[in-house]
Amino acid sequence: RKEVEQDPGPFNVPEGATVAFNCTYSNSASQSFFWYRQDCRKEPKLLMSVYSSGNEDGRFTAQLNRASQYISLLIRDSKLSDSATYLCVVNQGGGADGLTFGKGTHLIIQP
Amino acid sequence: GAVVSQHPSRVICKSGTSVKIECRSLDFQATTMFWYRQFPKQSLMLMATSNEGSKATYEQGVEKDKFLINHASLTLSTLTVTSAHPEDSSFYICSARVLAGVETQYFGPGTRLLVL
Repeated sequence: RKEVEQDPGPFNVPEGATVAFNCTYSNSASQSFFWYRQDCRKEPKLLMSVYSSGNEDGRFTAQLNRASQYISLLIRDSKLSDSATYLCVVNQGGGADGLTFGKGTHLIIQP
Repeated sequence: GAVVSQHPSRVICKSGTSVKIECRSLDFQATTMFWYRQFPKQSLMLMATSNEGSKATYEQGVEKDKFLINHASLTLSTLTVTSAHPEDSSFYICSARVLAGVETQYFGPGTRLLVL
């Protein structure tokens, strides 16, 4: 069964702190990896793709470890507006379309 | 990013009726769209892959005769929930695949379906 596992949280973090999330995926055929953000009762929105070499976008850094099938997201200098559910997402791979979503990690930034 | 719209945003219907949900790519052509469903506090689950001009591909456990998908043009896919029952109440979200550099998907705003 193809799964993406995440710690559901919630992570309660003070504003300005650094927070990190991890996820693991079971499908070794997956080739594309993403972090999406989902606000309450809204659709997911792409936060960033995750590349093998690791990549950074402002305060956000994503890393991929293919050998361990592990993806991480680091948020520096967290803002109140970062409060959301962060979804670890991988493609199904093996020629199949569609994405497999983790259940998400709920982040609450506290003032 | 690419814009995907969905209509309606929410619908309440009686058990036994059929509900059609539209998914449109507004500023690009999407040969492939996807339909997902999300129950409260659960992850999004892929229901089916909608391919323009051909039959949809359904995930295991999703009834193709209950969830009818039509992808008649490069900008429109529809999902019809036939003979809806209360257990079909959920958040239905479509996405469109974009091939530009790294392939990714952009999501519509979702449709909340409540079947009474």
